[in-house]
Amino acid sequence: AQTVTQSQPEMSVQEAETVTLSCTYDTSESDYYLFWYKQPPSRQMILVIRQEAYKQQNATENRFSVNFQKAAKSFSLKISDSQLGDAAMYFCACRNAGNMLTFGGGTRLMVKP
Amino acid sequence: GAVVSQHPSWVICKSGTSVKIECRSLDFQATTMFWYRQFPKQSLMLMATSNEGSKATYEQGVEKDKFLINHASLTLSTLTVTSAHPEDSSFYICSAREKDRGQQPQHFGDGTRLSIL
Repeated sequence: AQTVTQSQPEMSVQEAETVTLSCTYDTSESDYYLFWYKQPPSRQMILVIRQEAYKQQNATENRFSVNFQKAAKSFSLKISDSQLGDAAMYFCACRNAGNMLTFGGGTRLMVKP
Repeated sequence: GAVVSQHPSWVICKSGTSVKIECRSLDFQATTMFWYRQFPKQSLMLMATSNEGSKATYEQGVEKDKFLINHASLTLSTLTVTSAHPEDSSFYICSAREKDRGQQPQHFGDGTRLSIL
């Protein structure tokens, strides 16, 4: 079994500033993947960034980067130069070798103009 | 990119009606499809995993006779909510894993909002 925990139900950031969303996970598997998904009001699930557990280097996608701390089982998402369009629900997820995807409870990000 | 089409996007029906939701992979073959349920302001909960040509695997607490899943082809999986009641009202999302690309992320449909009166 695996669990994913997002301790921040809501976060707020000023436009153009940087914000970090927290995520911790627990899994008994050695081979797994971690993801951050964005869900805007339209409720589409949009993949933001992914990290393979065997890679030590933190993944980066433009303004989005992660801080992957494998020993601590922590996988935080940093959004730089926040934009109004970044406002959404963000879900952290862990996928095991069997392809089962487990989501955290989500963090609602608000961006203030 | 890989596209998953989910239909209908919103359905409103009377209690007791059975509702079928379709999940199609438009430009790839999906050996495995996943069905999730999302209540308002909550996370996605996996309901079941369906593999093409075999019976679906249901998560604990999900009634298989209530939520019928069929994955008859590599591009189509259906979820039928049988004799739906107001407590079945929710947002249902499917996702699909590409054949022979198991390491790639799942592709999500846009979801179906089910409202039972």
